[in-house]
Amino acid sequence: DIQMTQSPSSLPASLGERVTISCRASQGLSNNLNWYQQRPDGTIKPLIYYTSNLQSGVPSRFSGSGSGTDYSLTISSLEPEDFAMYYCQQDASFPWTFGGGTKLELK
Amino acid sequence: EVQLVETGGGLVQPGNSLKLSCATSGFTFSTAWMNWIRQTPGKRLEWLAQIEDKSNNYFISYLESVKGRFTISRDDSKSSVYLQMNNLKEEDTAIYYCTTGSFDYWGQGVMVTVSS
Repeated sequence: DIQMTQSPSSLPASLGERVTISCRASQGLSNNLNWYQQRPDGTIKPLIYYTSNLQSGVPSRFSGSGSGTDYSLTISSLEPEDFAMYYCQQDASFPWTFGGGTKLELK
Repeated sequence: EVQLVETGGGLVQPGNSLKLSCATSGFTFSTAWMNWIRQTPGKRLEWLAQIEDKSNNYFISYLESVKGRFTISRDDSKSSVYLQMNNLKEEDTAIYYCTTGSFDYWGQGVMVTVSS
């Protein structure tokens, strides 16, 4: 199974700040890497698919990049609604696996 | 509007069974692949099972650790997907989500607690 390691697990940040969350896979993903946001009420919202493609309705302050085993999610300027949990997920090979999550917290 | 609504969760004793349902609307269910995912109390997300559509002979894939205990199925006439869970263990305690095959739509989740 492909192991997904996210860092950091917790990220204190301020409104308007630029932040980056990293995700490292135990083997190459050929860009088959997705990002999700989980709101405090438990709702999971897809953000980015295939490394860098924004899902419909996702604000342009979100962006994704990476290749091989290393990927990242960047939020260019934090808004209040961005403070949530973030997960990466690979769909390069079964079983699909997720990172452990990053909690983006208000500093 | 796409909607996925999971039902059937609850408190169950170890060794017992539970069947989760996910009713969908707002998209062409019959051609959609569907997944079940769960989130443990430690917030870890775990993919459990996927079922493909009729054109792919409803091919099914499982996480190895639940194979033989969990069964995914679907009813295209009801636009619904199901997860039959047998011989439940305390470590199956989680919130269970159904999603579309490409993970672009998620339900709100349903809680399953396995405890004596």
